Amino acid sequence: GAGVSQSPSNKVTEKGKDVELRCDPISGHTALYWYRQSLGQGLEFLIYFQGNSAPDKSGLPSDRFSAERTGGSVSTLTIQRTQQEDSAVYLCASSLTRGNEKLFFGSGTQLSVL
Amino acid sequence: DQQVKQNSPSLSVQEGRISILNCDYTNSMFDYFLWYKKYPAEGPTFLISISSIKDKNEDGRFTVFLNKSAKHLSLHIVPSQPGDSAVYFCAASAERSGGSTLGRLYFGRGTQLTVWP
Repeated sequence: GAGVSQSPSNKVTEKGKDVELRCDPISGHTALYWYRQSLGQGLEFLIYFQGNSAPDKSGLPSDRFSAERTGGSVSTLTIQRTQQEDSAVYLCASSLTRGNEKLFFGSGTQLSVL
Repeated sequence: DQQVKQNSPSLSVQEGRISILNCDYTNSMFDYFLWYKKYPAEGPTFLISISSIKDKNEDGRFTVFLNKSAKHLSLHIVPSQPGDSAVYFCAASAERSGGSTLGRLYFGRGTQLTVWP
């Protein structure tokens, strides 16, 4: 597609359930990022994938969070045993190469944990 | 630990006037700075950037100024238009200096700009 695509756009779940968020980056972009924005906060870095290199997971807030990127394209962010503090907008971004800071963001997934 | 700070959560400016959005940073290894604009229900979009080797970069109505000694940058919008109303995020990277996780951008909390007619 022409831009970064994320699904679902909205997700409401119950505390303790697992959720999966999907990101389809711009074709040809080798770098993929996940950020989240909690209410009133800035964009918080979660994880970064670059080509076939090991991902930078330094931003993941707990071991309940994990992400994978299959075939160097689509990425899935999984949150296990969701908590209310996980409620946020989860944003995916891609860029052409490593070190190219001009990220292209998707519209995000609004996650609400009840 | 907020390494990029936008201390004004909101700014209101009349159409035609100048909008000045400010950003401060604490990490002296940051060497590349960007501004992103975000409309409701959309992802942030890249607006303008500046490398630490410059102190000014201009693109149409948008100019970014960098003061390295003060660890401060600002975005000027002249003249401001109602369509500029959005949340503006300041971001920084230490990619080129190798001072942080490669490819990682650090964002501020954003400033909501409202331009009224």
